[in-house]
Amino acid sequence: EAGVAQSPRYKIIEKRQSVAFWCNPISGHATLYWYQQILGQGPKLLIQFQNNGVVDDSQLPKDRFSAERLKGVDSTLKIQPAKLEDSAVYLCASSNSNQPQHFGDGTRLSIL
Amino acid sequence: QKEVEQNSGPLSVPEGAIASLNCTYSDRGSQSFFWYRQYSGKSPELIMSIYSNGDKEDGRFTAQLNKASQYVSLLIRDSQPSDSATYLCARGRGDMRFGAGTRLTVKP
Repeated sequence: EAGVAQSPRYKIIEKRQSVAFWCNPISGHATLYWYQQILGQGPKLLIQFQNNGVVDDSQLPKDRFSAERLKGVDSTLKIQPAKLEDSAVYLCASSNSNQPQHFGDGTRLSIL
Repeated sequence: QKEVEQNSGPLSVPEGAIASLNCTYSDRGSQSFFWYRQYSGKSPELIMSIYSNGDKEDGRFTAQLNKASQYVSLLIRDSQPSDSATYLCARGRGDMRFGAGTRLTVKP
């Protein structure tokens, strides 16, 4: 079974620029999550999708972050404009029917 | 108060010893608890899940849950250098919340 795919693995941008991350969940997984993990901290949930609908985006900084999951499969997370404090690893995870989540390898974002 | 609290460590144990990792949570309604292992630069990997009070054993790993005390622990027996990683405690499923993690080092 193929795992959760994310790209790119690494991204370096300057502050105020925009950036986008892509995630392809495990086939058949209806639920998709985006997490932000700052160095030395645990993952923080940014947004949760059930199929192509948003279940929880209470911790998403909506003034600069946006996410979509068209057709209930792939998802993109965008930051515009980026701030220095957005430097983190962005993890995508998926699950099915209340089963535990499986994580992708993440995208490491550095803001200069 | 953080939703999930863990001792940040680092925790260092000699090879072959028992490593004990602890976690407390604030939401009394939580029903599901998980331990993830995260190697440096890698994504979290699920190693244990526990839903009922008591102990759950899987190989060298034992998870313990005490809902009355809002306490979850992970014991690693016969610790190996390959167990050196950060261990994340999490509660919930769809609304999963993670602790900050405990860094474990197993010294040969």
